[in-house]
Amino acid sequence: GQQVMQIPQYQHVQEGEDFTTYCNSSTTLSNIQWYKQRPGGHPVFLIQLVKSGEVKKQKRLTFQFGEAKKNSSLHITATQTTDVGTYFCAGLTETSGSRLTFGEGTQLTVNP
Amino acid sequence: GAGVSQSPSNKVTEKGKDVELRCDPISGHTALYWYRQSLGQGLEFLIYFQGNSAPDKSGLPSDRFSAERTGGSVSTLTIQRTQQEDSAVYLCASSLTWTVGNTIYFGEGSWLTVV
Repeated sequence: GQQVMQIPQYQHVQEGEDFTTYCNSSTTLSNIQWYKQRPGGHPVFLIQLVKSGEVKKQKRLTFQFGEAKKNSSLHITATQTTDVGTYFCAGLTETSGSRLTFGEGTQLTVNP
Repeated sequence: GAGVSQSPSNKVTEKGKDVELRCDPISGHTALYWYRQSLGQGLEFLIYFQGNSAPDKSGLPSDRFSAERTGGSVSTLTIQRTQQEDSAVYLCASSLTWTVGNTIYFGEGSWLTVV
């Protein structure tokens, strides 16, 4: 079945440093979504990418969808303590309907 | 309601007992999902309801797990004869339609501990 892998599993950065998490799928995706989960909280939708090579920005966050639509990345510029949490990617394929397959997540900690 | 509502927020149960977890999706949302998240892990798909169609039950880990959705709104996830490995956060989510790519909104989750 479809597998979505994320690296790294953990990332510790100093406030102000950049951070990137990578997501790779075993199958071509029709759509990829990113979620953020704060400690003790529930996943919150961040963004959705659907086009090959698509790049979207939200303030300090930059999201990319690979040309082959099998990988994606989330980059945070100049991290802040409010960025702490676990970032999940979740993918859909043409045959999975609306069944999102989540990656294992990257847990980000930011030292002030 | 304003968001996805789940109850109970916390449940401690003895091994072998049955539990019911309830989800009240956002008003008007026709798609409803159940996911499970073990401590420090990713989200594991359990079941998905889309309108009046037959649910996608392919993620249910065993026949001890079942779910229903009454009247196209509230859903109940039932775990029979609970085991310790069932301990996890059970997250419900809803989206406006089942169209691919719709934003999914998660509830706060029901934290289940089986002792």
